[in-house]
Amino acid sequence: QQQVKQSPQSLIVQKGGISIINCAYENTAFDYFPWYQQFPGKGPALLIAIRPDVSEKKEGRFTISFNKSAKQFSLHIMDSQPGDSATYFCAASMDAGNNRKLIWGLGTSLAVNP
Amino acid sequence: EAQVTQNPRYLITVTGKKLTVTCSQNMNHEYMSWYRQDPGLGLRQIYYSMNVEVTDKGDVPEGYKVSRKEKRNFPLILESPSPNQTSLYFCASKPTGSNQPQHFGDGTRLSIL
Repeated sequence: QQQVKQSPQSLIVQKGGISIINCAYENTAFDYFPWYQQFPGKGPALLIAIRPDVSEKKEGRFTISFNKSAKQFSLHIMDSQPGDSATYFCAASMDAGNNRKLIWGLGTSLAVNP
Repeated sequence: EAQVTQNPRYLITVTGKKLTVTCSQNMNHEYMSWYRQDPGLGLRQIYYSMNVEVTDKGDVPEGYKVSRKEKRNFPLILESPSPNQTSLYFCASKPTGSNQPQHFGDGTRLSIL
């Protein structure tokens, strides 16, 4: 059972375009929604995160939009660059006793063409 | 430099031959975790540890063991590896406290023949 559904599985964008990756969740107890970026041969690294009391968070060219009523959140990459080519994972977490566990989406492979 | 170091980075071995993947972090993090990453299945947690001598199962613990004798080290042990454990493995660490980001190692690619 996939609690965090991520789409699309892969995405090709031209340099300078906008990349949009969407995630949907089911459990309303989730209270933290990070996005991780993974380059080939490397582990995932935190890119940006949001809490559900905020509808949008922006850091440079990266923006998270959050729709609590629809239980959806998305990552927007403005002015996409070839260096943004990577796999992006959304995730969600909530308190689960001692293990604040991350529930991961399946990832989106982004390719930005020069 | 703050980092999580995994060794080996690549390993090809045969069914049944015990192996250990080491993980070491230099950030004094209490929490450490092992994941496996498979195509179409994303990242799945194998085991995690809240602190020294405290470990617990994640979502896919079968066939794996871990230990946490020291704060900095969290080895993953495959006592009798099987081909279905062929995967890309990641170790991660983070401080305790809500919503601290996890710091990942660069991964270990295991092939079990």
